[in-house]
Amino acid sequence: QLVQSGAEVKRAGDSVTVSCTGSGYTFASYYIHWVRQAPGQGLEWMAMINPSNGDARYAQKLQGRVAVARDAAPNTVHIEMTSLRSEDTAMYYCARSHPGLYYFEFWGQGTLVTVSS
Amino acid sequence: QSALTQPASVSGSPGQSITIPCGGTRSDIGKFNLVSWYQKNPGKAPKLMIFEVDKWPSGVSHRFSGSKSGNTASLTISGLQPEDEGDYYCCSYAGRDTFVFGSGTTVTVL
Repeated sequence: QLVQSGAEVKRAGDSVTVSCTGSGYTFASYYIHWVRQAPGQGLEWMAMINPSNGDARYAQKLQGRVAVARDAAPNTVHIEMTSLRSEDTAMYYCARSHPGLYYFEFWGQGTLVTVSS
Repeated sequence: QSALTQPASVSGSPGQSITIPCGGTRSDIGKFNLVSWYQKNPGKAPKLMIFEVDKWPSGVSHRFSGSKSGNTASLTISGLQPEDEGDYYCCSYAGRDTFVFGSGTTVTVL
């Protein structure tokens, strides 16, 4: 399963870090993606990381404001978003995909990030 | 990368079939046979329903089927049931390890 860190409340301009911990499988063998859903909006793919080597890719619109990396904790990756805006208020999900397969087979429970202005 | 285009809502009566189109471009849907579909209900994580255009994950009813023609993918739900209500999102691989989701479609069973 994928277990995410708890809800966060931040102010505009702050940074936030959300973590995702995998269990029950070889964590390094699967990519982790980050997808968010703002209230009343659709799903948005944000970024992905290969936990085996830390290689990451980002959605163009978020480049420079988002970073995904392996965490010091075992079997954990995190996403950090800086310069938060009210429109970053959303449920953030991590999801797993197998290398070479282009779909998200398993998802975390979601982490609500609220940004107040 | 703009979101793939889906109708905001589709409805049908129990037992009917409905189809949800998902419009993309030559750079995503038209280029790759890597379209997946997800069901999203309030308070729950998305659930994979279809992958690689027309394949079923284990445990997903074959009442759900996928197809693709040109730059447009489609999800068809046959024998519509009340439990099929929810939001449905298409997703396409867009190259260079990036993905794009559709705008989402709310399915209502009348």
